Amino acid sequence: DTAVSQTPKYLVTQMGNDKSIKCEQNLGHDTMYWYKQDSKKFLKIMFSYNNKELIINETVPNRFSPKSPDKAHLNLHINSLELGDSAVYFCASSQRDRGTYEQYFGPGTRLTVT
Amino acid sequence: KQEVTQIPAALSVPEGENLVLNCSFTDSAIYNLQWFRQDPGKGLTSLLLIQSSQREQTSGRLNASLDKSSGRSTLYIAASQPGDSATYLCAVPSMDSNYQLIWGAGTKLIIKP
Repeated sequence: DTAVSQTPKYLVTQMGNDKSIKCEQNLGHDTMYWYKQDSKKFLKIMFSYNNKELIINETVPNRFSPKSPDKAHLNLHINSLELGDSAVYFCASSQRDRGTYEQYFGPGTRLTVT
Repeated sequence: KQEVTQIPAALSVPEGENLVLNCSFTDSAIYNLQWFRQDPGKGLTSLLLIQSSQREQTSGRLNASLDKSSGRSTLYIAASQPGDSATYLCAVPSMDSNYQLIWGAGTKLIIKP
């Protein structure tokens, strides 16, 4: 069974479009994250949700908005896509109160903006 | 502010050799340290997690060590195989922002047949 899943795996779109990436975890975790991996392969946190509340909002453009309908899902909406948004986006989850803080990652979504 | 560094950025060795990848962090107050593997165009696979109270963790041919006082972790790969070729990343949870992972830039490993 897939622990953390993301859809779509690949997304090619034009500048100015609005798109969404979905993430679901079946681990029963209470915290979910979005990371961005740029062309230099460096990973950076974008957002984190704990029990449906935003607990991190790093300095990303407000064109990016996370939405969590429940604690098993954390979707990423991106408005007015720009060329610089091209990257791989990873979703992850963890359980905060277990004390291990181990994070489990989805397969990534490769976004290409043309 | 925690910073994670991985040296070297790339490493190429012949098949069968034992090798060590290095990870250093600036703030020794960590909950744990995770080692990940990323294959080209693929996702992240968690290899090992070492808790702050542990000195090492082993999984098959992989052994990860942790020395908090010196801010270092090593990933030892025994009897390397071409299938071990990948980028290896280490990460530690932030102590102040709800445990977001802070990442090293990775070591790209190539095992030559």
